Amino acid sequence: DAGITQSPRHKVTETGTPVTLRCHQTENHRYMYWYRQDPGHGLRLIHYSYGVKDTDKGEVSDGYSVSRSKTEDFLLTLESATSSQTSVYFCATTPRAGANVLTFGAGSRLTVL
Amino acid sequence: GESVGLHLPTLSVQEGDNSIINCAYSNSASDYFIWYKQESGKGPQFIIDIRSNMDKRQGQRVTVLLNKTVKHLSLQIAATQPGDSAVYFCAEKTEYGNKLVFGAGTILRVKS
Repeated sequence: DAGITQSPRHKVTETGTPVTLRCHQTENHRYMYWYRQDPGHGLRLIHYSYGVKDTDKGEVSDGYSVSRSKTEDFLLTLESATSSQTSVYFCATTPRAGANVLTFGAGSRLTVL
Repeated sequence: GESVGLHLPTLSVQEGDNSIINCAYSNSASDYFIWYKQESGKGPQFIIDIRSNMDKRQGQRVTVLLNKTVKHLSLQIAATQPGDSAVYFCAEKTEYGNKLVFGAGTILRVKS
């Protein structure tokens, strides 16, 4: 997990509130990803970024938005959290396009009541 | 670190035995198949990958086998150690794609 910091590590919130998760990397990697991990589903891609201000959707992007204003930070926002968004969220980075090796952060556990 | 409560297939092996973890993939157009290991409370970690034009690749104590005919991938771990206890995920991607698609995972438990 060296070089990738996720915050907060744990958060409990209520339905309808906005939530922002932050991923900070010191690797100067160009590509950054947000995944969610749920029982029986493995990791599913929410959004990813291929550069500052350049983002694209993943397979489960509904209800999430992202922003990347500088190389080192990638923010995941839930505009109005729902119970179905209770999950563990992982940030990952890689230095180049098409890479198979992603470096993951330690995860952020979000509980939406 | 973080982990999730998992309801996954579980493989229990005795320390020192060989382990075989299996994965069925879905996309016949995938060019790479990758194995990741996730220890409790941590994010996944890359183990080994294999290109679709290969059927076998070896690493340190690990071997990945690919059978494209039946869309099956396996990870063999030799002389399994307690430190190998983790959840193992297979993933697939296309050559220039930036998105990895992960399987649901398999829990490996090593008995001492």
